[in-house]
Parts: sequence; C-alpha cells; structure tokens
Amino acid sequence: KNEVEQSPQNLTAQEGEFITINCSYSVGISALHWLQQHPGGGIVSLFMLSSGKKKHGRLIATINIQEKHSSLHITASHPRDSAVYICAVSRYTGNQFYFGTGTSLTVIP
Amino acid sequence: AAGVIQSPRHLIKEKRETATLKCYPIPRHDTVYWYQQGPGQDPQFLISFYEKMQSDKGSIPDRFSAQQFSDYHSELNMSSLELGDSALYFCASNLEVEGEQYFGPGTRLTVT
Repeated sequence: KNEVEQSPQNLTAQEGEFITINCSYSVGISALHWLQQHPGGGIVSLFMLSSGKKKHGRLIATINIQEKHSSLHITASHPRDSAVYICAVSRYTGNQFYFGTGTSLTVIP
Repeated sequence: AAGVIQSPRHLIKEKRETATLKCYPIPRHDTVYWYQQGPGQDPQFLISFYEKMQSDKGSIPDRFSAQQFSDYHSELNMSSLELGDSALYFCASNLEVEGEQYFGPGTRLTVT
C-alpha cells in the first residue's frame, strides 16, 4: 500500500468550477507538499504545509494532522490549471519526498 | 531567480550504453535529490547528497552511481542501460534545514 494516497486519480471540470483534490497519508511527516506537473514534465512546488491552511491566488491547501489528510482546492478553475497535481510528504526536514499517485486535472473551457 | 538546472534535457541512448545526467542546484543550496519517473508513474526517490556526502539512498539500481561535487553540482551516472531505464529524471535541491524542494525541469532519457 502506498504511503500517500490521492483521490480522485482523474478529474474533469468545467471552467469556473470549484475543484477539490484529496490526499491521505499513513506515516508521520514533517511536512506535506502539493506539486504541479504540466505535460512535458516540469514539477512546480505549490505549497508546503505542516499545519493549518495556506492560500496563494486561487489555490488553497489545508491539512489536518490528526486525520492525516490534506486537500487542495482550486477556485474559479481555468483551462490553464490543467495539469497533474501531486501530493508528497517528507518524513523529516530535508528528507526525500514520498509521492502520491497524482491527480490528473482537465479543465474544459 | 535562479532555478535548478539539469542537462541534458533530452537524451537518447542504446541498450548497454552509459549516460551521465547533470544537475546544478540553486545557488547556496547544499542538498541535491535525484528522482526517477517512469511513464505514467509516480516519481521515485533514487539518492540524495548533503554537503557532498550521500545522505539517503532509495531505489537506485547498482548500475547507477552519483556524486556531488565541491561546487554542489551533482551527476548521475548510469551504466549498462536497459529499456526500463527510460524515464524522466528529476533533480531537486534545497537547504538541508528547509523542507521545501525546488525541482529542475528534468532530463528525459530514452533507451532504445
């Protein structure tokens, strides 16, 4: 069983919709990371969370340490948000990432 | 701001050949991580270096080796290449005391 599970695996939304991607993990972590991978492969770090909630533009990430669960929300989705969103955890500061299976998001105009 | 640089961006090799991938971390970053992402798969951790010493080892095959040099750049050496080594190889860097990693654009290796 993967230490980091994401859902859904694939998601198609209409432009403007509110999107939620979920991540659950089964190990102790120092931080949880949300990453974005566009077609062609480049990975961009969106958020690093160890507690609470962070917001950047239309993106919001939350984490519940007790429940070992995090969510990534996209408000007013846009076709340029189409990408694979990956949840990753680090077990302690500076450590390697353990990646979730990714959620492939397609936003249709 | 300077980002992580990887070279080459694309590489085509034949079976049993060798390949060397290079990673130049963000200036002042002391830690480098290598990840392998096969087609349709999650990235998998291979190996990491902190201050030029190997700090952690993941699923790196014995045919692969890596090192970090005095200028903190790192090289991943891959020998006796197999078809299954075809993948996107990412390098990431950070300051060891910080959790966030910054990813390079990746090197796409195709073994034919």
